[in-house]
Amino acid sequence: AQSVTQLGSHVSVSEGALVLLRCNYSSSVPPYLFWYVQYPNQGLQLLLKYTSAATLVKGINDFEAEFKKSETSFHLTKPSAHMSDAAEYFCAVSTEGGKLIFGQGTELSVKP
Amino acid sequence: DTGVSQDPRHKITKRGQNVTFRCDPISEHNRLYWYRQTLGQGPEFLTYFQNEAQLEKSRLLSDRFSAERPKGSFSTLEIQRTEQGDSAMYLCASSYGPGDSPLHFGNGTRLTVT
Repeated sequence: AQSVTQLGSHVSVSEGALVLLRCNYSSSVPPYLFWYVQYPNQGLQLLLKYTSAATLVKGINDFEAEFKKSETSFHLTKPSAHMSDAAEYFCAVSTEGGKLIFGQGTELSVKP
Repeated sequence: DTGVSQDPRHKITKRGQNVTFRCDPISEHNRLYWYRQTLGQGPEFLTYFQNEAQLEKSRLLSDRFSAERPKGSFSTLEIQRTEQGDSAMYLCASSYGPGDSPLHFGNGTRLTVT
């Protein structure tokens, strides 16, 4: 069965610093992987997705993620954090039927 | 693309009452999903439809929960005899096509059971 583990429930960075949010997956088949962002009292917005076309995936707002099969990882990065990046981030793996299994989430705080 | 719409945004009800939530997916999307999210947790899958057929239900979905999608368009999620443990954000999402199609989420319905 597919599953996702996000390491670190809270991450704090300074504005302008590198953002690194960690995600490891478990899947018996080649996975489809996603990162979503959630702002308070809102639904989830897609940041990027991996569907085996390329291991480095670029998303919106300068976020990117690299699929590493050997490490079963799909970490999310952004070179320079903005205050507006403060939110909850979720990694997810797709199963048959398109159902997504989500990680527990990582709350990103950005300090001025 | 008007996005996924959920109604109401907030619902406060007393324990034991029934509540019903509505979701209008993106019009060309054939798949519709319901998730539940509690504070500090990731969304948990409840059920999904392909067109009007309900294809999978989570064990989280007790007998008090029922979902429908008549005519393969909007969907409703009903909770009967609500309990305090049902307090959560209920998220609806829709998608079109194969498993790599991303889910598009609504803004959710926040249920508070007092």
